Amino acid sequence: AQKITQTQPGMFVQEKEAVTLDCTYDTSDQSYGLFWYKQPSSGEMIFLIYQGSYDEQNATEGRYSLNFQKARKSANLVISASQLGDSAMYFCMIQGAQKLVFGQGTRLTINP
Amino acid sequence: SAVISQKPSRDICQRGTSLTIQCQVDSQVTMMFWYRQQPGQSLTLIATANQGSEATYESGFVIDKFPISRPNLTFSTLTVSNMSPEDSSIYLCSVEDQRGRSYEQYFGPGTRLTVT
Repeated sequence: AQKITQTQPGMFVQEKEAVTLDCTYDTSDQSYGLFWYKQPSSGEMIFLIYQGSYDEQNATEGRYSLNFQKARKSANLVISASQLGDSAMYFCMIQGAQKLVFGQGTRLTINP
Repeated sequence: SAVISQKPSRDICQRGTSLTIQCQVDSQVTMMFWYRQQPGQSLTLIATANQGSEATYESGFVIDKFPISRPNLTFSTLTVSNMSPEDSSIYLCSVEDQRGRSYEQYFGPGTRLTVT
């Protein structure tokens, strides 16, 4: 079985600061993928970044990077230089051989 | 990236009726996924739909309640049958796109369903 834990239900950050959103996971699969999504108030799900379990380097996509620590089973999302438009729900997701599971999400609020 | 559209975008339905949600992709994809997001909750996978085979349902979801069709590589439908107020949710389809060793999953805009 797979499980995703996001321990931060809500976070408040000042604009232009960096922010780290926590995600830990549990899986018995040897090969799996970890995804992060952003869901603004409009409800759409926006793909941000992907990390494969066999990737040795941390994934990066513009201002987003994924701090992947396989031994600790964590896949934290780092947003550099936060912007007001980053305010949204953020979901971590794991996809294994048989199952695909989302975390409960973190609501990020960027303050001006 | 794949562009996905869903119809309808929202609907208000009477209990006991059924609604069919359509998901259209602008490119051929092997795997399509259907999710439910209940109010204030995270996403829950309903089923995986591969073209040419029966959909694979997750625990707690059954074909009689959520029949799925996948007639070709760009289209799928999800029907919510015999609806009750507990079915009020956002229903989303997604597709998986592999780029080398990397994967991306893209979502449609969702169908907001209210059952009265």
